Amino acid sequence: GAGVSQSPRYKVAKRGQDVALRCDPISGHVSLFWYQQALGQGPEFLTYFQNEAQLDKSGLPSDRFFAERPEGSVSTLKIQRTQQEDSAVYLCASSFRQGSSPLHFGNGTRLTVT
Amino acid sequence: GENVGLHLPTLSVQEGDNSIINCAYSNSASDYFIWYKQESGKGPQFIIDIRSNMDKRQGQRVTVLLNKTVKHLSLQIAATQPGDSAVYFCAGAGASGGGADGLTFGKGTHLIIQP
Repeated sequence: GAGVSQSPRYKVAKRGQDVALRCDPISGHVSLFWYQQALGQGPEFLTYFQNEAQLDKSGLPSDRFFAERPEGSVSTLKIQRTQQEDSAVYLCASSFRQGSSPLHFGNGTRLTVT
Repeated sequence: GENVGLHLPTLSVQEGDNSIINCAYSNSASDYFIWYKQESGKGPQFIIDIRSNMDKRQGQRVTVLLNKTVKHLSLQIAATQPGDSAVYFCAGAGASGGGADGLTFGKGTHLIIQP
């Protein structure tokens, strides 16, 4: 497809489980971002990749959150030992190049931790 | 970073009327702004962007106005249609325009179109 693809669309995890969320960016897009969106709020920045390099992870809320993009294309956001406060929609976005280009978002993964 | 926020959480307009959604930002160093539309269950969809060297930019039925003096931007939607019902976010960034800074989003305005 032409857009950013995220999977799964929905994920229910029991507290303490590990989860992995996948993002397929638009082909050729250099920059990739992960955002977290709580209900009724705007997206909050988590981390940023340029190709395979993770240049900014300042938004990751704890060391239980880990993201990777080993080949500069697909990215995975992993959350270890999930907690209820991790429940949110996780959005992935990509852009063609760094600098002055809009981000194109996927439809997100809705994570519910019970 | 950037602090971007919206004045009103909900805006209700009659179908066919024009809508204006407002946004204030705090970081005068921000030089790139985007408006996104988000429908239920979907990711934010790009509407229009503007750089700080401009004060107005027009798209199809949409206009973004930027007032750097008071650090305010607005999104005008002409002749609103039922499909315009959504949450609208403004987002700002530094010179990288969504690069290392990422975009900083406001909380959003829910636009409701009354038939």
